[in-house]
Amino acid sequence: GEDVEQSLFLSVREGDSSVINCTYTDSSSTYLYWYKQEPGAGLQLLTYIFSNMDMKQDQRLTVLLNKKDKHLSLRIADTQTGDSAIYFCAESLSFNDMRFGAGTRLTVKP
Amino acid sequence: EAQVTQNPRYLITVTGKKLTVTCSQNMNHEYMSWYRQDPGLGLRQIYYSMNVEVTDKGDVPEGYKVSRKEKRNFPLILESPSPNQTSLYFCASSWTSGRVNEQFFGPGTRLTVL
Repeated sequence: GEDVEQSLFLSVREGDSSVINCTYTDSSSTYLYWYKQEPGAGLQLLTYIFSNMDMKQDQRLTVLLNKKDKHLSLRIADTQTGDSAIYFCAESLSFNDMRFGAGTRLTVKP
Repeated sequence: EAQVTQNPRYLITVTGKKLTVTCSQNMNHEYMSWYRQDPGLGLRQIYYSMNVEVTDKGDVPEGYKVSRKEKRNFPLILESPSPNQTSLYFCASSWTSGRVNEQFFGPGTRLTVL
């Protein structure tokens, strides 16, 4: 398909790792982003990765990029209840052309 | 505090009654954008502006207008709202220096058109 695709739901136990997956559409996308949306709030940029990178790590967050399969993932280590939110994957074909997935709702159970 | 503000946060209106949703940012960002968020769909861009007096259509511009007379403000205008414009709307802004578009989002405006 032509949409940025994500699974809609993910549930994990507190302390486990969470892996949120995304398939994007355009192999020429320059940057890929992960945004977090908490209830009643706007999106907040979590991290991004340039398309010539395979991995980026930022504290508890690890982003993996497989350009061949157009697959992006976000791993959250030691997931906490405060990580419960909707996570959006987005690809950037140009500065003003950003395509978002539908979001993955992460639920963290105590 | 650096922020993007939107008003109103919630609005219920009737078909055909013109409305404006305001968006303001205090970070001196050149780029501003409007998105709508619908269940099961990603954010879809309505309009964007690269700077004052420079606006362009996004993916779903039909039924909307925007203006960018000042750098900080980017209002979204619905001249004749229809029920299919019931949605959650987000304004966002960013600097245009560099290639990464690190957008800051407002808290959203939930619009219901009856």
